[in-house]
Amino acid sequence: EVQLLESGGGLVQPGGSLRLSCAASGFTFNSRALGWVRQGPGKGLEWVSTLSQNADATYYGESVEGRFSVSRDISTNIFYLQMNSLRAEDTAVYYCAVMGDFWGTIEGYMDVWGKGTTVTVSS
Amino acid sequence: EIVMTQSPATLSVSPGERATLSCRASESVSSNLAWYQQRPGQAPRLLIYGASTRATGIPARFSGSGSGTVFTLTISSLKSEDFAFYFCQQYNNWPPGTFGRGTKLEI
Repeated sequence: EVQLLESGGGLVQPGGSLRLSCAASGFTFNSRALGWVRQGPGKGLEWVSTLSQNADATYYGESVEGRFSVSRDISTNIFYLQMNSLRAEDTAVYYCAVMGDFWGTIEGYMDVWGKGTTVTVSS
Repeated sequence: EIVMTQSPATLSVSPGERATLSCRASESVSSNLAWYQQRPGQAPRLLIYGASTRATGIPARFSGSGSGTVFTLTISSLKSEDFAFYFCQQYNNWPPGTFGRGTKLEI
């Protein structure tokens, strides 16, 4: 069974940094693209970023481009989201997800989701 | 950016009845549309992708239809655990792959 467990959320001041982790199990880590999606308080869902299955391509939403970065560690099966220059509007629950796949091509839907970790940006 | 509009915002139905949820795209997304269910306090769960293909483990009472700009999620014979939020997402123009604001399905 595919499982994703996020951690690393917390309270951070505006302008600060935070790194989220997503521990993955139940599938071959480098066989699927992985992504992050967030949900602000009382808001809908917003795709944040995706790392391709070979880790040779990264994709970012316009609101986080240049501030956030994704990476992974195959030896530990952990997927990361490094968040810098945080703003109040980054406050959200952040979900890690396995991206949809069609014969090795990323499909932009989220197949399996983690339970999420909460990030609060406030002074 | 493609805008996804879901209607109604809230749908009140009774257990055992059928629920029909709508999602409209501001331009054609072909069949590249997904539906998710989110119960209170839980993560979203993929229900449907490709507009009409049920995800693994999703009961047959959930069905999706449509293409282009108009899509429908139908839940036949509602069960208590089906009362939740439902979001649609287009991924034809990915990234970014935009979500609708959701429909709350309530008793």
